[in-house]
Amino acid sequence: AQRVTQPEKLLSVFKGAPVELKCNYSYSGSPELFWYVQYSRQRLQLLLRHISRESIKGFTADLNKGETSFHLKKPFAQEEDSAMYYCALKVTAAVNKLTFGGGTRVLVKP
Amino acid sequence: EADIYQTPRYLVIGTGKKITLECSQTMGHDKMYWYQQDPGMELHLIHYSYGVNSTEKGDLSSESTVSRIRTEHFPLTLESARPSHTSQYLCASTGGGGTEAFFGQGTRLTVV
Repeated sequence: AQRVTQPEKLLSVFKGAPVELKCNYSYSGSPELFWYVQYSRQRLQLLLRHISRESIKGFTADLNKGETSFHLKKPFAQEEDSAMYYCALKVTAAVNKLTFGGGTRVLVKP
Repeated sequence: EADIYQTPRYLVIGTGKKITLECSQTMGHDKMYWYQQDPGMELHLIHYSYGVNSTEKGDLSSESTVSRIRTEHFPLTLESARPSHTSQYLCASTGGGGTEAFFGQGTRLTVV
């Protein structure tokens, strides 16, 4: 069965410092991976997906099939990046079922 | 405005009560989902639907049931609530061939 692991429950960094959120997955098929974010008092929303290969709000994530990882990175963290981040794996083409990791809370200190 | 709505946002009820959590979307999406999330834990898929009259069990076994009589509506029902059902329930939808899931605000359920 598929599984997504986010080893860090909490990441605390200072403003302007780099931040990297780790995500590892296990899945026998061809994975499609996402990062979702939940800001305080807001709903869960898509941040980025690996297929798009885009940078959103300064965040990037590269799919490494050899290491089965999809780490999220930002070179200079901002206070508004403080949020809960979830890595997610889509496993079925017909239905967009998502398997989520446990989430990482990012706290960016001034 | 296209959106996905969940009601109520918060609910505290007694053991043994029957409850229905509402989820409606005005996005025209065909696929809808219910996720359950305990505090500080991952989201687990408990139900999903391809479209009208289609419902499937998710990855996590749940005593709740769902129905999909209308495209825009995907309610979740607990016939007899128990304290073990205390959790947050998130509704989501996807559609139009896209893979992005749009989530509601969630319902935080407490069974006492």
